[in-house]
Amino acid sequence: ILNVEQSPQSLHVQEGDSTNFTCSFPSSNFYALHWYRWETAKSPEALFVMTLNGDEKKKGRISATLNTKEGYSYLYIKGSQPEDSATYLCAFSYGGSQGNLIFGKGTKLSVKP
Amino acid sequence: SQTIHQWPATLVQPVGSPLSLECTVEGTSNPNLYWYRQAAGRGLQLLFYSVGIGQISSEVPQNLSASRPQDRQFILSSKKLLLSDSGFYLCAWSAIPGLAATNLDSYNEQFFGPGTRLTVL
Repeated sequence: ILNVEQSPQSLHVQEGDSTNFTCSFPSSNFYALHWYRWETAKSPEALFVMTLNGDEKKKGRISATLNTKEGYSYLYIKGSQPEDSATYLCAFSYGGSQGNLIFGKGTKLSVKP
Repeated sequence: SQTIHQWPATLVQPVGSPLSLECTVEGTSNPNLYWYRQAAGRGLQLLFYSVGIGQISSEVPQNLSASRPQDRQFILSSKKLLLSDSGFYLCAWSAIPGLAATNLDSYNEQFFGPGTRLTVL
């Protein structure tokens, strides 16, 4: 059974703090790793898709790294703002998955002003 | 550009009543389509996916069914709702998988609809 683990489950930080969370996934038959941002009462929005070992992606204050050999990805948020509060989902796809993504349970981030 | 629609946005139904949620996609052809559910306190669970008209794969045994009567239409149904069917239902689409890895490859990226909040009482 393919499993994607995310930690921590939830995180509470103060505005201005920098934070990071982890996604672990199977390292065999890797195809792509996706990060999504999911605000309450809205639909998940794609942040990054990463495919190569050592990939680093950045969008504003948010960045992500990928290690396919050991099966993990980190998401970093620099100088957290209240509007960053959301659940961050990691999703893994593998060769032959017919397009399916396997989602982790997410990390719920709350940023207090 | 592609858009994905879901309706209704919210629904309150009594136990034992039928259900029909609809999802349509515009601006693309032959997409993969997905139904997910997030139950209270849980992660995103894949319920069904479809790679073409009339082709439905179920990921978990449950009280629900799905149909794809047209290329860009995906319907989630139930004959008799249970309390445990309450949750937030998301429809998603992705481009055809298995393309050669190019700059245009979506790498199975999925695009989500606005969701339906279902409460079964």
